[in-house]
Amino acid sequence: DVKVTQSSRYLVKRTGEKVFLECVQDMDHENMFWYRQDPGLGLRLIYFSYDVKMKEKGDIPEGYSVSREKKERFSLILESASTNQTSMYLCASSLPSRAEAFFGQGTRLTVV
Amino acid sequence: QQQVKQSPQSLIVQKGGISIINCAYENTAFDYFPWYQQFPGKGPALLIAIRPDVSEKKEGRFTISFNKSAKQFSLHIMDSQPGDSATYFCAASTTGTASKLTFGTGTRLQVTL
Repeated sequence: DVKVTQSSRYLVKRTGEKVFLECVQDMDHENMFWYRQDPGLGLRLIYFSYDVKMKEKGDIPEGYSVSREKKERFSLILESASTNQTSMYLCASSLPSRAEAFFGQGTRLTVV
Repeated sequence: QQQVKQSPQSLIVQKGGISIINCAYENTAFDYFPWYQQFPGKGPALLIAIRPDVSEKKEGRFTISFNKSAKQFSLHIMDSQPGDSATYFCAASTTGTASKLTFGTGTRLQVTL
């Protein structure tokens, strides 16, 4: 069964902290994505990667960065967490030839 | 800018009724239109998807209707059940190496007894 695993279900961080969200997929997918989900706004794309060490900005990259050193792992980094980054963060992966994306269970991040 | 517009934001349907969720898109390059279902505490999961070469796709109680000229597509859930209560997202994408999904804002469906 396909699997996308996010390292934490819940996180509470302080304003100004550097935060790492980790995602691992076991499907050998080339493409990986980070979305954030907010009520009434749906899922918005933060960053995506279509190959190791490659990254592309999504619709809302400000305040975030990403790292992809290995094919199966895609990390989202909040350089200096702020309260407006309190959200549900979802990681996903897909094959390049197919648009179907598989999602992890999400990380609910609260910045206080 | 919202490239995929979804309505309604919330929907209450009685058990056995038909649930209808609508989406409209702007980018004519989109060629893949999936619907995702999300239960509380879970990530979204693909429910059903359609490509623009057909006007309708049915899988069990779930049907996508697609109108290419109007740039609209909709999800119909026939004989809605309490277990269908979830948040539904439409999405759109091009296909290719760097394809990425653009999502609607979601519809929270509640099916009552």
